[in-house]
Amino acid sequence: DAGVTQSPTHLIKTRGQQVTLRCSPKSGHDTVSWYQQALGQGPQFIFQYYEEEERQRGNFPDRFSGHQFPNYSSELNVNALLLGDSALYLCASSLATSDNEQFFGPGTRLTVL
Amino acid sequence: SQQGEEDPQALSIQEGENATMNCSYKTSINNLQWYRQNSGRGLVHLILIRSNEREKHSGRLRVTLDTSKKSSSLLITASRAADTASYFCASYTGGFKTIFGAGTRLFVKA
Repeated sequence: DAGVTQSPTHLIKTRGQQVTLRCSPKSGHDTVSWYQQALGQGPQFIFQYYEEEERQRGNFPDRFSGHQFPNYSSELNVNALLLGDSALYLCASSLATSDNEQFFGPGTRLTVL
Repeated sequence: SQQGEEDPQALSIQEGENATMNCSYKTSINNLQWYRQNSGRGLVHLILIRSNEREKHSGRLRVTLDTSKKSSSLLITASRAADTASYFCASYTGGFKTIFGAGTRLFVKA
């Protein structure tokens, strides 16, 4: 039973560029949430996708956008990268009926130079 | 701002000792979850406790929840070097959003 997978593992970009991160949920899960974790901090909620729609969003600018596909996988896109976007980006999957019990992927480490 | 706050920020103990971490949150919750994170990797789900539960056990883990004080604690008994990690509490208020605290960094010395 495959867990949550994310790609790529590491990524280096320069300011102003755009990036796309990918996530495949745990088998049987239909909901994907994205988090940003700065060094030494707890994860910050970016948004959650269910049935291919964004149904909740955290305090992040419109530069952060996402998508969920019919197979429940998801992408996180960040435009006009800033130095402050450097962080570990975590994807978590859950079942819509499960009290939001989430299972996390290994994360993508994004460095913006 | 983050919903949860963990206390202490860091904890160093000897192998075999018990480790207790506390978490406080600000608004009513549906449930509270504890996670472990090793060296900046993905989070591992440890335990979920619902708002109508007061205590829950899983192996060497014991979680308590006091909704009147808006607080929870995680106890790890007979700690091992492999328990060295960061531990986070995460509160779920039912709005499809889970809010994490800043974490407790636990170091278990062999």
